[in-house]
Amino acid sequence: RKEVEQDPGPFNVPEGATVAFNCTYSNSASQSFFWYRQDCRKEPKLLMSVYSSGNEDGRFTAQLNRASQYISLLIRDSKLSDSATYLCVVPILTGGGNKLTFGTGTQLKVEL
Amino acid sequence: EAGVAQSPRYKIIEKRQSVAFWCNPISGHATLYWYQQILGQGPKLLIQFQNNGVVDDSQLPKDRFSAERLKGVDSTLKIQPAKLEDSAVYLCASSLGSRTGLSYQETQYFGPGTRLLVL
Repeated sequence: RKEVEQDPGPFNVPEGATVAFNCTYSNSASQSFFWYRQDCRKEPKLLMSVYSSGNEDGRFTAQLNRASQYISLLIRDSKLSDSATYLCVVPILTGGGNKLTFGTGTQLKVEL
Repeated sequence: EAGVAQSPRYKIIEKRQSVAFWCNPISGHATLYWYQQILGQGPKLLIQFQNNGVVDDSQLPKDRFSAERLKGVDSTLKIQPAKLEDSAVYLCASSLGSRTGLSYQETQYFGPGTRLLVL
């Protein structure tokens, strides 16, 4: 299994739809997880952190399933401005501390 | 608060040439990271500095890539000689660097990146 694996998409959804992305990880020792958002030709920016079973911030909900080693991101009432690539990020412990390991990203396109 | 600064924003070179990128992290951030992001992939960590010391450079192709952070503030990443497969966006990020451990991960703030095209 890859360290971090995501469905690359693209997910094309109409405005107002609910969409969910999954991400699986291989390192069972990882305890915190992140979703970053990356707009086209821009740098990644932190969207949400997940330290326990889940986290909710407005229209965005991140959930963690440690037994199955996957995290998910749910976006409700999609907006055109949500169109971006969503990167699943898992810290992997190395000799020097944590190394953030990024998935390939899932591309979301919200359409009228 | 000023963000992470990088220059140049774009660079086009021919293979076998050399190139250098510069990064100035957010003021007060002890940890600095260089990532390589190839089109269609997520960022891959090349090297991590804590102040002026290297914490992790396991994925840095040391035969051609080098990086330094001599005074523990800004950093340069160099490629010499460049290959076609080095075409990518090189992202610099920084974090406070005050806490470690799997149970906590500091937020990393990314710069705008340098887009490198090797012809």
